[in-house]
Amino acid sequence: AQSVTQLDSQVPVFEEAPVELRCNYSSSVSVYLFWYVQYPNQGLQLLLKYLSGSTLVKGINGFEAEFNKSQTSFHLRKPSVHISDTAEYFCAVIPDYGGSQGNLIFGKGTKLSVKP
Amino acid sequence: EAQVTQNPRYLITVTGKKLTVTCSQNMNHEYMSWYRQDPGLGLRQIYYSMNVEVTDKGDVPEGYKVSRKEKRNFPLILESPSPNQTSLYFCASKDRVTGLVDEQYFGPGTRLTVT
Repeated sequence: AQSVTQLDSQVPVFEEAPVELRCNYSSSVSVYLFWYVQYPNQGLQLLLKYLSGSTLVKGINGFEAEFNKSQTSFHLRKPSVHISDTAEYFCAVIPDYGGSQGNLIFGKGTKLSVKP
Repeated sequence: EAQVTQNPRYLITVTGKKLTVTCSQNMNHEYMSWYRQDPGLGLRQIYYSMNVEVTDKGDVPEGYKVSRKEKRNFPLILESPSPNQTSLYFCASKDRVTGLVDEQYFGPGTRLTVT
């Protein structure tokens, strides 16, 4: 079975500071990795994804994430956050095996709060 | 505009009163799914559908039913709601069932309160 652990439930940070949201996964098969963002009172939207190739992936709004296979991690980073980045962030995986239906398995989320 | 719509957006009901939350997508997607979001638990999948008349249980299907009679619609049915089904519900869809990594598009959510 697969699982996703987001190590911090809440991350407060000041505007223009860097931020890292941590995500680790557990899986006996290869996985595809995703970060989704949920702004207040909205649905989720895709921030970025790792499928293969370069381990550093860039997404929308200046976010990037690095896949580390040995540490089974996919941490999300932004060098300088804005107030508008205040949202809940979800890490998710899709396991890659013969019978996979492509269902997303989500972590519990990290609430990023950017303070002025 | 490509979108997933859900209705109603907010619903307060009483225990045992059957309700349906509708979900519709205009992107001709084959795959559709329902999730519930609870504080501290993230999103958990309730049911999903790979195509018309093909549905399957997710991780938390108890107390819910779904149907997929048309490609664009995927209603979620609570035949006898209970307070533990108070939650925020999201519908999602994606293209190409065979493409594991196609982006899922989410609806705006339905906040359900069962008293």
